[in-house]
Amino acid sequence: QQQVKQSPQSLIVQKGGISIINCAYENTAFDYFPWYQQFPGKGPALLIAIRPDVSEKKEGRFTISFNKSAKQFSLHIMDSQPGDSATYFCAAAPNTGNQFYFGTGTSLTVIP
Amino acid sequence: DSGVTQTPKHLITATGQRVTLRCSPRSGDLSVYWYQQSLDQGLQFLIHYYNGEERAKGNILERFSAQQFPDLHSELNLSSLELGDSALYFCASSPRRDGEQFFGPGTRLTVL
Repeated sequence: QQQVKQSPQSLIVQKGGISIINCAYENTAFDYFPWYQQFPGKGPALLIAIRPDVSEKKEGRFTISFNKSAKQFSLHIMDSQPGDSATYFCAAAPNTGNQFYFGTGTSLTVIP
Repeated sequence: DSGVTQTPKHLITATGQRVTLRCSPRSGDLSVYWYQQSLDQGLQFLIHYYNGEERAKGNILERFSAQQFPDLHSELNLSSLELGDSALYFCASSPRRDGEQFFGPGTRLTVL
């Protein structure tokens, strides 16, 4: 079964808007939550990651919000730009190993 | 550029055949991970090697095998290929047994 559930499947945002992608998990052994960005024909590239000891992490226009009690985390892209158009994957890794369980991906389109 | 290299970039073969995909991790990275990305299954973890030893297995078929050599490069062997094995195969590397993974550009396998 899908260990990490991601929504929405696709997202269209106006330039300058906020893009929000949500993920949820069940396994309480997960303790590392990265977000990856993938452009067509390329491998996923790490955007930002968080561990459960903090509720928010910000790097530039990208912010992860983490809710440990709800077992949810989300990616916010502020001031979205056409160059942000890509597929975004959330993932989770357990404290017993480092295999990533990926969400199903969100295709983001930022229109000028 | 993540520093992870994968060869070949594309591979077209027939059902029943065997292929070998190669991955060179970033300099100094001891961990190598293999993932399969298909349209219907998303990114699925296959196997993890750390410094030559198998550390974790995911949804890897018995027809698939992998190894990590003393120089830390890794090979993924796929045999008795089926149409459903057509996918993108990614290798990722990490300096440790946990944390951030750096993905290569992938090998696109097409089984005809």
